[in-house]
Amino acid sequence: SQQGEEDPQALSIQEGENATMNCSYKTSINNLQWYRQNSGRGLVHLILIRSNEREKHSGRLRVTLDTSKKSSSLLITASRAADTASYFCATDAIAGNQFYFGTGTSLTVIP
Amino acid sequence: GAVVSQHPSWVICKSGTSVKIECRSLDFQATTMFWYRQFPKQSLMLMATSNEGSKATYEQGVEKDKFLINHASLTLSTLTVTSAHPEDSSFYICSARRDRGFGTNEKLFFGSGTQLSVL
Repeated sequence: SQQGEEDPQALSIQEGENATMNCSYKTSINNLQWYRQNSGRGLVHLILIRSNEREKHSGRLRVTLDTSKKSSSLLITASRAADTASYFCATDAIAGNQFYFGTGTSLTVIP
Repeated sequence: GAVVSQHPSWVICKSGTSVKIECRSLDFQATTMFWYRQFPKQSLMLMATSNEGSKATYEQGVEKDKFLINHASLTLSTLTVTSAHPEDSSFYICSARRDRGFGTNEKLFFGSGTQLSVL
């Protein structure tokens, strides 16, 4: 991909379980963001973590950032069927004014 | 607030014709907008960064003469797919970075996308 990889590519879990997805990126960044996309639609911003932050929480979301490893993870706790969607990490690169997306994780939460 | 309108949401055209897609920031100014292309079940590929008042910056492998970008005002960027062919069929999404003074400019606001089908 242009900036990085996400794993797993697809994840299927039971409602109530936690979902973890990982993102690796290539260049130095100002911040890393996670977005959600329901099939064939625009993207919704979930959470942003800056390069000087290591962990951030927002409701059922927890994101971590390790700039030394150029990686991030998104944890969704107590998943719901409505969480079924594709999740993408995106990086705001320091060099240049570009905004790249990872390969995405398709999450299916089974009721 | 922070709404981005993308139009049209769906377009079907004949091979060889040109198609224009508009991306408007409705309640904020955006000097920078981004155009992405997405194939089914794949990620968003950045095509170009659109800068108001200057030429767009295209990513490697994207034909600038094929995908014309015009960012004529602080609230409008357009992408024109010229002489469209079936392989140009895809989902195109724009996003806008809010200028400082209108709130945080760290996150992007996305349009709802345009599904282009070239026959």
